[in-house]
Amino acid sequence: GESVGLHLPTLSVQEGDNSIINCAYSNSASDYFIWYKQESGKGPQFIIDIRSNMDKRQGQRVTVLLNKTVKHLSLQIAATQPGDSAVYFCAESVVNAGNMLTFGGGTRLMVKP
Amino acid sequence: DSGVTQTPKHLITATGQRVTLRCSPRSGDLSVYWYQQSLDQGLQFLIQYYNGEERAKGNILERFSAQQFPDLHSELNLSSLELGDSALYFCASSLQRIDTQYFGPGTRLTVL
Repeated sequence: GESVGLHLPTLSVQEGDNSIINCAYSNSASDYFIWYKQESGKGPQFIIDIRSNMDKRQGQRVTVLLNKTVKHLSLQIAATQPGDSAVYFCAESVVNAGNMLTFGGGTRLMVKP
Repeated sequence: DSGVTQTPKHLITATGQRVTLRCSPRSGDLSVYWYQQSLDQGLQFLIQYYNGEERAKGNILERFSAQQFPDLHSELNLSSLELGDSALYFCASSLQRIDTQYFGPGTRLTVL
């Protein structure tokens, strides 16, 4: 992911709608990808991960899609709730090179009741 | 609650000073990571320890150092502090070196 600093893109959705948050990652050697949710004043919270040998993984209300061809990752949240409002970060790593995470700049999700 | 604890929650100090941030990993986790989150640089990896040994280094300044103790807790030492060191410092832990990282609540450092 690329750090874009202060200017967080914002996604505003209506409660109950589906949300899609996108991320472009930078390292073609990355083989592990994670989505984190960060609420104000808290640390990043693990949501879902995917390894490079997969292109889709589903969790509870969340789905991660990986397109290695274009180095793109997306997080889909079904039936978005007000409690989903937060900043979402994608992160990438090369597992056998130390597993240090490189974070994207983040997307702010705002859910309107 | 991730199970990772960090102290203190807030720290206010002056330029030129030295501080120590402390992290206790989740029970059973052997690997500890330190990250810095600032407004202009986002979340950046600093350093990783595994079972007491340094394993990887990222964008960590020479003024910063860390260690992991036999009981697996870790400390991040920041010295000769500058205004630009003001940031959130997060610790994360994972079971082994290649597993999912779980983050603590962070320490907010303010350098005046």
